[in-house]
Amino acid sequence: KAGVTQTPRYLIKTRGQQVTLSCSPISGHRSVSWYQQTPGQGLQFLFEYFSETQRNKGNFPGRFSGRQFSNSRSEMNVSTLELGDSALYLCASSYREVYNSPLHFGNGTRLTVT
Amino acid sequence: AQSVSQHNHHVILSEAASLELGCNYSYGGTVNLFWYVQYPGQHLQLLLKYFSGDPLVKGIKGFEAEFIKSKFSFNLRKPSVQWSDTAEYFCAVSSNSGNTPLVFGKGTRLSVIA
Repeated sequence: KAGVTQTPRYLIKTRGQQVTLSCSPISGHRSVSWYQQTPGQGLQFLFEYFSETQRNKGNFPGRFSGRQFSNSRSEMNVSTLELGDSALYLCASSYREVYNSPLHFGNGTRLTVT
Repeated sequence: AQSVSQHNHHVILSEAASLELGCNYSYGGTVNLFWYVQYPGQHLQLLLKYFSGDPLVKGIKGFEAEFIKSKFSFNLRKPSVQWSDTAEYFCAVSSNSGNTPLVFGKGTRLSVIA
């Protein structure tokens, strides 16, 4: 089974721009979660989508948004980029029908804002 | 809301030394507990998980963790570390009560030296 695929792997953007990151979950997984990983802060939860609906949202400003398509693929968007948005953005998928189903992570997209 | 505290930011051990990484969580209800590992350049992988039953759980690569409910702890242990255990380790918790996201600690970096 193919794992979680995130594209692109690396992105360099300038302040004020916007960016869209993509995630393809493991086949059969209908839940996709997004996390921001920064040194010293660990993984901070952004949002979770299940069957095209946002199920949970973390404590991030409205500049961070996401969506999920009918094939379970997900995108997240960050508008008006700030220097502090530089991070590794991780996507994870799971069988959310099973509430304690472990998350399977992708390799992440490393975003650098200059 | 749940929170997770990992006490050690960076642990340095010699090969064959014993390992114990601390993890405490804050949540009053029933929880699901996880340890994930991130090897250099690789994606996060599930090391072990606890949902119910025997509080001593065994994971991959000789790791184990003990759930102590009275202490709200889920410490990770390994009797004898190897150089290949060099990685970052994350403790995570989710509520057993419904649709809550998986909350991670800030991680502990383990460096194993020869």
